[in-house]
Amino acid sequence: DTEVTQTPKHLVMGMTNKKSLKCEQHMGHRAMYWYKQKAKKPPELMFVYSYEKLSINESVPSRFSPECPNSSLLNLHLHALQPEDSALYLCASSQEIARNTGELFFGEGSRLTVL
Amino acid sequence: AQSVTQLGSHVSVSEGALVLLRCNYSSSVPPYLFWYVQYPNQGLQLLLKYTSAATLVKGINGFEAEFKKSETSFHLTKPSAHMSDAAEYFCAVSPLYNQGGKLIFGQGTELSVKP
Repeated sequence: DTEVTQTPKHLVMGMTNKKSLKCEQHMGHRAMYWYKQKAKKPPELMFVYSYEKLSINESVPSRFSPECPNSSLLNLHLHALQPEDSALYLCASSQEIARNTGELFFGEGSRLTVL
Repeated sequence: AQSVTQLGSHVSVSEGALVLLRCNYSSSVPPYLFWYVQYPNQGLQLLLKYTSAATLVKGINGFEAEFKKSETSFHLTKPSAHMSDAAEYFCAVSPLYNQGGKLIFGQGTELSVKP
C-alpha cells in the first residue's frame, strides 16, 4: 500500500473543462512534487513545493496550476488542456529538501485523458 | 550536469535466470543512487538506494545493486527472475548537494520474463 494517495485514479476531460488532481501524504514530509509521465518514458518533474511554498516550476504551461493548501495536501488544477497533456500524473513526497538524499515516495498516479 | 544512462531499453530473461539491468551515472562526486520499479498502471516504488554507506546494497524482492565508483556504475541484479518481476525499471541519481529536490531519471529498462 502506498502512503501517498492520489485521486482520481482516472480522469477524462474536454479541452474547455476545469478539473483538479489531488494528492495527500501523512508521513510528515515537507516536500511534495508533481511529475508528468508519458508512456514508456521516465517521469518529468513539473513542480516542487517545500514547506508549502513553490520552490521549483520547470517552465510548466500556465494551464497547469499547483496549490499546496497545507503540509499534507497538494493539488494540481487543470484548465484548457490540450490532447498532448494526456499522461500519467504522479505525486511524490520526501523529507525536507535540505536533509533529503533524494528518495521520493510516489503515489499510484492519476491517468489523465484530454479529448 | 548530472546524467544517468541505462543500457538497453528492453531486457528479456527466462524465469529462473539472472537479471542484470545496467546503469551508469556521470558525476565528479559520488551521488546518491536509486533504483525504482514501476508495474503497469502504477506509480514508482523504491527498490533500493545507495547513500554512501555499503557499496553492495540489498533491496526488496531479492534485488541488489553494487556501487562501483571506478566504473561509475550501479547495476541492478537478481539471481533468479520471477514472472512477477516483469515491469519498468528506472535508475535515478540525486546530486550530493541536492539542487532543490531534483531527481534525475534514466530512460528506463523494460524487463520481460518468459516462462
